[in-house]
Amino acid sequence: AQSVTQLGSHVSVSEGALVLLRCNYSSSVPPYLFWYVQYPNQGLQLLLKYTTGATLVKGINGFEAEFKKSETSFHLTKPSAHMSDAAEYFCAVSYNTNAGKSTFGDGTTLTVKP
Amino acid sequence: DTGVSQDPRHKITKRGQNVTFRCDPISEHNRLYWYRQTLGQGPEFLTYFQNEAQLEKSRLLSDRFSAERPKGSFSTLEIQRTEQGDSAMYLCASSLGGDSSYEQYFGPGTRLTVT
Repeated sequence: AQSVTQLGSHVSVSEGALVLLRCNYSSSVPPYLFWYVQYPNQGLQLLLKYTTGATLVKGINGFEAEFKKSETSFHLTKPSAHMSDAAEYFCAVSYNTNAGKSTFGDGTTLTVKP
Repeated sequence: DTGVSQDPRHKITKRGQNVTFRCDPISEHNRLYWYRQTLGQGPEFLTYFQNEAQLEKSRLLSDRFSAERPKGSFSTLEIQRTEQGDSAMYLCASSLGGDSSYEQYFGPGTRLTVT
């Protein structure tokens, strides 16, 4: 069975500071990993994904994440936070033979202080 | 590409009533997924379709829930005899093809409140 743990349900940073949102996964087979962002009363929007190949993936809005197999992690980072980054972020895992069903973490709410 | 749409966006119903939600996926996407999201949690998988075939249902999907995707286009999710525990956001997503690496595109969700 696969699972996702997002460490820290709430993260607060100052505008311009580094954003680091943590995600660890458990999967018995090579995972596909995703980060989504959700704004209030909206659906989820894909920020970036890792499937195969380069372990450092870049996404939209300046976000990137690095797949570290040895640590079973896929942490999301952004060098400089912007007020518009305030939202809820979800890490999700899927794998090749599960028909694309994703297992999601419980989310991390990012607050950006001016 | 108009994205995934869901209707209605909000639904308030009394306990015991039946409700039906609709999802229109991106037109060329042949996979369609339903998820449920409760406050403070991530989305949980309910069921998915490959074209018109419903290929898997989660154990979360009790007998009161039924989903259809006639002709492999839009999908409906019906909840019969609603309970207060059914209050949640119901998300629909679609993806292209049969490869699990394809990302899912989510609709805005239908928020159900059962009073």
